[in-house]
Amino acid sequence: DIQMTQSPSSLSASVGDRVTITCRASLSISTFLNWYQQKPGKAPKLLIYAASTLQSGVPSRFSGSGSGTDFTLTINSLQPEDFATYFCQQTYNSPQTFGQGTKVDVK
Amino acid sequence: QVHLVQSGAEVKKPGASVRVSCKTSGYSFNTYFITWVRQAPGQGLEWMGWITTHNGKTNYAQKLQGRVTMTTDTSTSTAYMELRRLRSDDTAVYYCARQLAAAVGADHWGQGTLVTVSS
Repeated sequence: DIQMTQSPSSLSASVGDRVTITCRASLSISTFLNWYQQKPGKAPKLLIYAASTLQSGVPSRFSGSGSGTDFTLTINSLQPEDFATYFCQQTYNSPQTFGQGTKVDVK
Repeated sequence: QVHLVQSGAEVKKPGASVRVSCKTSGYSFNTYFITWVRQAPGQGLEWMGWITTHNGKTNYAQKLQGRVTMTTDTSTSTAYMELRRLRSDDTAVYYCARQLAAAVGADHWGQGTLVTVSS
């Protein structure tokens, strides 16, 4: 199985901050990488697919980059509604593994 | 408007089976995969597998092989996930989601179904 490792596991930030979350795959997955946001008690929400393509309706302050094994999710100018947990997922092969998550909370 | 509505919470004893339904609406059912993901309390997301709705092809996580079956009913645009020989570590919220293809993200999700396995 491909292991997906996110860092950090948690971070504290303030509204207006720029936040960067990284995801590393245990082998090359090209750009078969998605990012999700999850709030407590809610289903995940797709933010980014194919490493850098913004899902329809997602604010442009979210962006993704990377290919191969190293990927980044960036949130420019963090908003109050962005405090949540973020997961990466590889869809290069099965099982389509997720990272362990990065919790973004209020500083 | 796309909706995936799942069946209600279940409490099961170890060794029993559970079937979770996922009724879809607002899009062409046969165009998208249905993926199942679960999340144990306080834990991360675990991919369980997917089913192609146009021909019923399945791809299950190896750790669940032999215990899980995913099916669809195209007449009602509903997907089902059955998990057998339940154990306490199967306690989780189970989500269905639609996915345009195996290699892309899941863009609409059900609300989740809590399955509790307890003696």
